[in-house]
Amino acid sequence: DAKTTQPTSMDCAEGRAANLPCNHSTISGNEYVYWYRQIHSQGPQYIIHGLKNNETNEMASLIITEDRKSSTLILPHATLRDTAVYYCIVRGHAGGTSYGKLTFGQGTILTVHP
Amino acid sequence: DSGVTQTPKHLITATGQRVTLRCSPRSGDLSVYWYQQSLDQGLQFLIQYYNGEERAKGNILERFSAQQFPDLHSELNLSSLELGDSALYFCASSPGLGAETNYGYTFGSGTRLTVV
Repeated sequence: DAKTTQPTSMDCAEGRAANLPCNHSTISGNEYVYWYRQIHSQGPQYIIHGLKNNETNEMASLIITEDRKSSTLILPHATLRDTAVYYCIVRGHAGGTSYGKLTFGQGTILTVHP
Repeated sequence: DSGVTQTPKHLITATGQRVTLRCSPRSGDLSVYWYQQSLDQGLQFLIQYYNGEERAKGNILERFSAQQFPDLHSELNLSSLELGDSALYFCASSPGLGAETNYGYTFGSGTRLTVV
């Protein structure tokens, strides 16, 4: 699976949009971008994923650049409860021995402050 | 409640001992994944089972073993415990082999193991 690079930490004011970047310059054509978050020692929570089109759900939006080498997770109106570690993960779906696992990096610590 | 149940929530044991962690996957899910999270290593994939069979293996020590039973619950056995095995152990589940394209995995709330 392709490696990802994320900033170590970010801050965001409550009520503002939080934009979390992720670089995945070695991503291949069949690999998806996934985002998970982990709130203080709880189990990781799935947020969103996409292949090449922008995606939106009730939690967030995912913007993937046209060359797919980077993406941005957008939390449109951040709240204090969005303070967490956010993980960007690239994973294939085409089978093989590695598609069954998620490889977590260090993630971005997002702190939402009042 | 994510639908993935892990027991116990907390476990304190002595070095050299053996413990068993249990995971019940979300209803209908056939795959179970085990992850270890320690302070210095982050979230590390250990092993995946699908419908009773081992499917993928990560950085799992030989002192650790797992299995998935016919009712699809899974157990992670940790033996000859060392201080460095102290960590959060998470279980996740998914409906199929992990190649689904329409959603992610569901994680449990974890078991915190402390080895003293």
